[in-house]
Amino acid sequence: NAGVTQTPKFQVLKTGQSMTLQCAQDMNHEYMSWYRQDPGMGLRLIHYSVGAGITDQGEVPNGYNVSRSTTEDFPLRLLSAAPSQTSVYFCASTQGSSGANVLTFGAGSRLTVL
Amino acid sequence: DAKTTQPPSMDCAEGRAANLPCNHSTISGNEYVYWYRQIHSQGPQYIIHGLKNNETNEMASLIITEDRKSSTLILPHATLRDTAVYYCIVRPISGAGSYQLTFGKGTKLSVIP
Repeated sequence: NAGVTQTPKFQVLKTGQSMTLQCAQDMNHEYMSWYRQDPGMGLRLIHYSVGAGITDQGEVPNGYNVSRSTTEDFPLRLLSAAPSQTSVYFCASTQGSSGANVLTFGAGSRLTVL
Repeated sequence: DAKTTQPPSMDCAEGRAANLPCNHSTISGNEYVYWYRQIHSQGPQYIIHGLKNNETNEMASLIITEDRKSSTLILPHATLRDTAVYYCIVRPISGAGSYQLTFGKGTKLSVIP
């Protein structure tokens, strides 16, 4: 049971390049989400999904796309990277809609856009 | 905006109890108090959560005041590995907002040898 796995751990991009951050969970969780964390700040929600085929925007969605074709995977796509997207990205998952269910986070992906 | 207020930093001597306060004066009866921590930019780690009653697990204790407007996270015997940023978070019991966590800036706890 690996929990929430994020790849890559580190990535450097040039402005305008595209890439996908991968997130996979093996806990059969319905809900998955992406957060970003800038220096000295708490995490902010980018996009989330309440199940396969269903996604929605969070607090800071601009510049990011997501899709959820399977229960296990929730990739985050940057179509045209900008320096403002330099951040640490965390994926999280939880079972069901109850606030009693704990969110489990991945180890993070550190992205630098030059 | 985060619905909690925490001191930006605290120190604690190794082996002593660390008491981290949190103010959540606008909390509703349908919201949990959650605590997570983040060690050196790793992924946030769940510690404990509670609704009305005090809670204890293998990591910590959570003391919630009777009016639920504030709480304290207690690490009974702090070690150097407990040095981290601790986040106090209010989370709905159900509904759309229950899926996610709204993070503030947290409290940076430094455990001193």
